[in-house]
Amino acid sequence: NAGVTQTPKFQVLKTGQSMTLQCAQDMNHEYMSWYRQDPGMGLRLIHYSVGAGITDQGEVPNGYNVSRSTTEDFPLRLLSAAPSQTSVYFCASRQWLSSGNTIYFGEGSWLTVV
Amino acid sequence: AQTVTQSQPEMSVQEAETVTLSCTYDTSESDYYLFWYKQPPSRQMILVIRQEAYKQQNATENRFSVNFQKAAKSFSLKISDSQLGDAAMYFCAYRSDYNNNDMRFGAGTRLTVKP
Repeated sequence: NAGVTQTPKFQVLKTGQSMTLQCAQDMNHEYMSWYRQDPGMGLRLIHYSVGAGITDQGEVPNGYNVSRSTTEDFPLRLLSAAPSQTSVYFCASRQWLSSGNTIYFGEGSWLTVV
Repeated sequence: AQTVTQSQPEMSVQEAETVTLSCTYDTSESDYYLFWYKQPPSRQMILVIRQEAYKQQNATENRFSVNFQKAAKSFSLKISDSQLGDAAMYFCAYRSDYNNNDMRFGAGTRLTVKP
């Protein structure tokens, strides 16, 4: 019963480096999203997708790219990492048709940019 | 945009006692969903309880219950018979029924349970 799987769990990057955070879900959920969590703040939405081939920006999209080529996968790309992107990142998914559906989170990815 | 406010950065409760975590939100919408999530030290986000705004009855899940006051835009979480395993960060969250692509989270309340 995998649910939402994120990799890697920990990553240290140098400023300017690029990387991809992977996210996969096995629940056939249409909706997937990426959040970041910073100290003293709740989770903030970066990007989301309501199905393969469809993505859109959330509250804090700058510095991140996403794509959705399959229902299962929703990678988050940092093209040129900055120290301000040091954060904990959460991937989440849910059924999209009903807005009341429960959202399921991955275990988080700790990213440090030095 | 909707905002969610948790005015208690930290709370403490004695084991077996009851504690209430506060949450208020700002919205002009009438249809929405409210959630409480628990985040233990492992950082996993775990759904504790949810409430549909159109339901007048307060949601209950075992030792967890809410006091939903729609007119006051208040959504507090009551934890009864607190256990050591309840120690965690608790986040209140809002999701609109009109724009269901985003959830708004409060800043969280850190709950400590004393043995």
